[in-house]
Amino acid sequence: KQEVTQIPAALSVPEGENLVLNCSFTDSAIYNLQWFRQDPGKGLTSLLLIQSSQREQTSGRLNASLDKSSGRSTLYIAASQPGDSATYLCAVRVIGNQFYFGTGTSLTVIP
Amino acid sequence: ETGVTQSPTHLIKTRGQQVTLRCSSQSGHNTVSWYQQALGQGPQFIFQYYREEENGRGNFPPRFSGLQFPNYSSELNVNALELDDSALYLCASSFPGMGNSPLHFGNGTRLTVT
Repeated sequence: KQEVTQIPAALSVPEGENLVLNCSFTDSAIYNLQWFRQDPGKGLTSLLLIQSSQREQTSGRLNASLDKSSGRSTLYIAASQPGDSATYLCAVRVIGNQFYFGTGTSLTVIP
Repeated sequence: ETGVTQSPTHLIKTRGQQVTLRCSSQSGHNTVSWYQQALGQGPQFIFQYYREEENGRGNFPPRFSGLQFPNYSSELNVNALELDDSALYLCASSFPGMGNSPLHFGNGTRLTVT
């Protein structure tokens, strides 16, 4: 069974700092990996989707990488801002149309 | 373009009752999936519907069932509610049904079982 782990569970950084969030998964047979942002009490907002054949995707200050063979993905956030404060979740899609989420990293950016 | 909408936003039920949650997919999206998110946890995949058929299911008992309608909207039904069913229930839509399409989520229904 696929297991998705996110480390650290919580992270606090000063505004302007660059940071990296980590996501690992146990089974490399995935279709894609997606990063989401979740604000308290809200649904998830899609940030980046990386297909299994891709190595990275970029959107603005965000860059996500995927190393399928080692079961790892990272989300890099450049020049962090207080508005980036949220919980960040990664999810993998696997064969059989199943989705597995990590428990998330709670990010606080201090002004 | 209309996003994913879910109703109701909040619901309180008693143990043993039944509940129906509703989801309207984003315009043009033909695939809907449902998730249960307990407090402080990541979402757990319940099932996915594509063209009115269930085509993927997570580790949830049969008392969790669903429907998808011709307009791609969907319902999640939970029978014999248990206290542990208290959670945020999220719906997501995507397009096309079988490809590498991002999931677009609604804001969820907060279910409390007492």
